[in-house]
Amino acid sequence: QVQLVQSGAEVKKPGASVRVSCKPSGYTFTSYDINWVRQAPGQGLEWMGWVTPRSGNTDYAQKFRGRVTMTWDTSMSTVYMDLGSLRSEDTAVYYCARGGAFAENGYYIQYMDVWGKGTTVTVSS
Amino acid sequence: DIQMTQSPSSLSASVGDRVTITCRASQSISIYLNWYQQKSGKAPKFLIYAASSLQSGVPSRFSGSGSGTDFTLTISSLQPEDFATYYCHQTYSTPYTFGQGTKLEIK
Repeated sequence: QVQLVQSGAEVKKPGASVRVSCKPSGYTFTSYDINWVRQAPGQGLEWMGWVTPRSGNTDYAQKFRGRVTMTWDTSMSTVYMDLGSLRSEDTAVYYCARGGAFAENGYYIQYMDVWGKGTTVTVSS
Repeated sequence: DIQMTQSPSSLSASVGDRVTITCRASQSISIYLNWYQQKSGKAPKFLIYAASSLQSGVPSRFSGSGSGTDFTLTISSLQPEDFATYYCHQTYSTPYTFGQGTKLEIK
């Protein structure tokens, strides 16, 4: 059974950093990208970026560049998302999601087919 | 960034109804469009990719269509478990962006 298991809830003070982990199981860890998506309370979904365990490539949304780092640990088969300089607006549920792709007829269309249950990060003084 | 706009933002319907949700992109995205369903307090669930291809295991009452800038998600006969929020999502270019969501409620 393919699943992504995320770390537990975090409470941080403004200015601090947070690390959220995501451990895939049920498939070959290095075969798929991992995306990070967040959702502020009562709001929609916001893509933060992705990391490719196979190559080490990353792509971050401009909004988060300089504050976010997405890494992986092959030995632990775990992906990490570090977000620094936290502010109250970063309070959200953070999801990791496996990146799949439809590759036919000249198309390469990416999607997120398996999601973790989410990690709540609360930033409060 | 590509802006995705869904309409309506909320919708009331009854079990058995046929409903359609629209998603419009701020520029052409070909068929680089996916749909997700999210129930309250849960992670999103992947429904449709490449605008019209149903993910394995998703009921056939769900369908998607469109290309370019205009897309639709249709549920042919609403079931009680379909009441949720639906998001469109473009992967034509990064940053990948989502629509603001359409909340489907029971009438």
